[in-house]
Formats: sequence, structure tokens, C-alpha cells
Amino acid sequence: SAVISQKPSRDICQRGTSLTIQCQVDSQVTMMFWYRQQPGQSLTLIATANQGSEATYESGFVIDKFPISRPNLTFSTLTVSNMSPEDSSIYLCSVESRSNFEAFFGQGTRLTVV
Amino acid sequence: KNEVEQSPQNLTAQEGEFITINCSYSVGISALHWLQQHPGGGIVSLFMLSSGKKKHGRLIATINIQEKHSSLHITASHPRDSAVYICAAGSGGSNYKLTFGKGTLLTVNP
Repeated sequence: SAVISQKPSRDICQRGTSLTIQCQVDSQVTMMFWYRQQPGQSLTLIATANQGSEATYESGFVIDKFPISRPNLTFSTLTVSNMSPEDSSIYLCSVESRSNFEAFFGQGTRLTVV
Repeated sequence: KNEVEQSPQNLTAQEGEFITINCSYSVGISALHWLQQHPGGGIVSLFMLSSGKKKHGRLIATINIQEKHSSLHITASHPRDSAVYICAAGSGGSNYKLTFGKGTLLTVNP
């Protein structure tokens, strides 16, 4: 199993500013995943963060808006840049066991942009 | 149309009732995940199954691969079971990816 510590748990931000979300895993993992959950919607994958290489972004998400860092095998950050009210969502990081595909999630960051 | 459909979207029950949440998926899967999301947003993995049935305490998850359908059952429901329950279909092998349903909001009243 894996335990993920995600912070902040919530924030209220002014439009035009940026917020960096951090995820720390208690074990080394190859890939970390960042999701967005807009109000009333299902989770959508933003990008996959690999250690030592550029993150892989899903369609509709770009690095300039959601830069990701992955400095080592236990840590990653997601930045939501130049925020607008449409960015108000829950953001979650996740890891998956390569051996049996079990998924583990952080506590989520509830972001409100005003 | 979402590739993973859940029903019902909302469910209100009285404490002690037996609860069933359904999930249908249209993608080929390696595994089907049931997740629980609490009001703060954090998600806990309840089950991951690729066939048959799994049980953990008062929770039971079943899957029918031929019919592409899974159910989550809660026996003797309790107010602390109130949460959003999310079904996610996992597929892709070495490029494993989860496709999520929109979730079922369960409220159990005392």
C-alpha cells in the first residue's frame, strides 16, 4: 500500500494568481497522476508525472497552465497558473501499484478561485 | 456518453438499510475499482476486482465481466457510510489508465 500526503487541503485564491499543490508518498513510485474534479463531474486525468522526464499531459491540458515537477520518486507538485474561477475544482494526486493496479489517492485540494 | 455510468446519482437511506450502487462500463478493463470520497475531497480505495466478488466488513463488491456491470453493496448501513461512491474502470496494461464514473452521493439518515 501507499500513503499519500497532499497539501494544502483547501485554498481560496484570487484570479490571476498561481497555487502549487504538493504530494508526498511514503514509498518510491515510478509514476504519479494528477486529477481534476470539477463540481458535479467525474475525475479527469490532467497529467502523468514521471521522475526524471517531462510530464505527459492529457488532451485539453497544457504545461503552461499546469506545470508539474517530479524531483524524486516520492514527491511531486502541480501548479495551477494564472487562475480563473473556472479552475475551481478538487485536485487529487494518485499513485498506482504496478503489480496489481491498486490505486491510492491523496486527501485532495479543494480550490476556490474568486 | 461517459464510458462509465453509475446509478443512482443520489441515494438516501435510513440507517440499517441494505444499499446497492450500480456501475456499467463500456470499455475493456483489467480491473474495476470502487472508491469512497468524503466531503473534504479525499478518496479511499475500497475494492479492486477483476472477477467474482469481494467482501470487506459490511461492504461487498461484485462484477460480471460478460455483462460489463459491477455492484457495490452496503449491509446494515450507518450514517458514517455517507459519502460519494465512485466506480472506475482500469485498462491499458503497461499504460494503465482509470476512467471514472460521476459518483453516487449516499446519505444515510439515523
